[in-house]
Amino acid sequence: AQTVTQSQPEMSVQEAETVTLSCTYDTSESDYYLFWYKQPPSRQMILVIRQEAYKQQNATENRFSVNFQKAAKSFSLKISDSQLGDAAMYFCAYLGQGAQKLVFGQGTRLTINP
Amino acid sequence: DAGVIQSPRHEVTEMGQEVTLRCKPISGHDYLFWYRQTMMRGLELLIYFNNNVPIDDSGMPEDRFSAKMPNASFSTLKIQPSEPRDSAVYFCASKKIDRGSGANVLTFGAGSRLTVL
Repeated sequence: AQTVTQSQPEMSVQEAETVTLSCTYDTSESDYYLFWYKQPPSRQMILVIRQEAYKQQNATENRFSVNFQKAAKSFSLKISDSQLGDAAMYFCAYLGQGAQKLVFGQGTRLTINP
Repeated sequence: DAGVIQSPRHEVTEMGQEVTLRCKPISGHDYLFWYRQTMMRGLELLIYFNNNVPIDDSGMPEDRFSAKMPNASFSTLKIQPSEPRDSAVYFCASKKIDRGSGANVLTFGAGSRLTVL
């Protein structure tokens, strides 16, 4: 079964600085999707960014980018120019090709220090 | 688009009572999922539907839990009787698979926080 591991339960960063959240996963599949979701105190799960495994180019969404290392099964999230509104729980998630069950990591709580 | 709509946002009930959580998925989405989030177990998939048909309910904890989707715009998750260990946030999510682009993105509702005393 696929597993997703987020080894950093908590992270903190100064406002305007850059922070990287780690995620590793275990799979025997070659095609799959990876996601980062953000859960602010409002508890709404919000999609931040997604990556298809067949694409070598790292996904980017404004201040958010990923470092996708397929061979290493690593999918880290980089947040540039951190803002107070970025404070939240961040979840890494895996979805197999043709599958419907999204497998989540345990989450990383990100604090932004003003 | 109003997104995935869940109700109630908060529910406090006593052990033994029946609880019904409701969800309206995004129009046009043909998959609907129920997740449960707790501190101890994180986010767990309980059940999902495709075109209103339950496909995988292997995550449903026990017979006290049941879920229905009578039509494309409504689903319920029922717990009867409720127990304190059922206290959690329950999320409903929906998606459609874009055959052209392959987009496969889950959109979540705001969640229903259940507290069973």
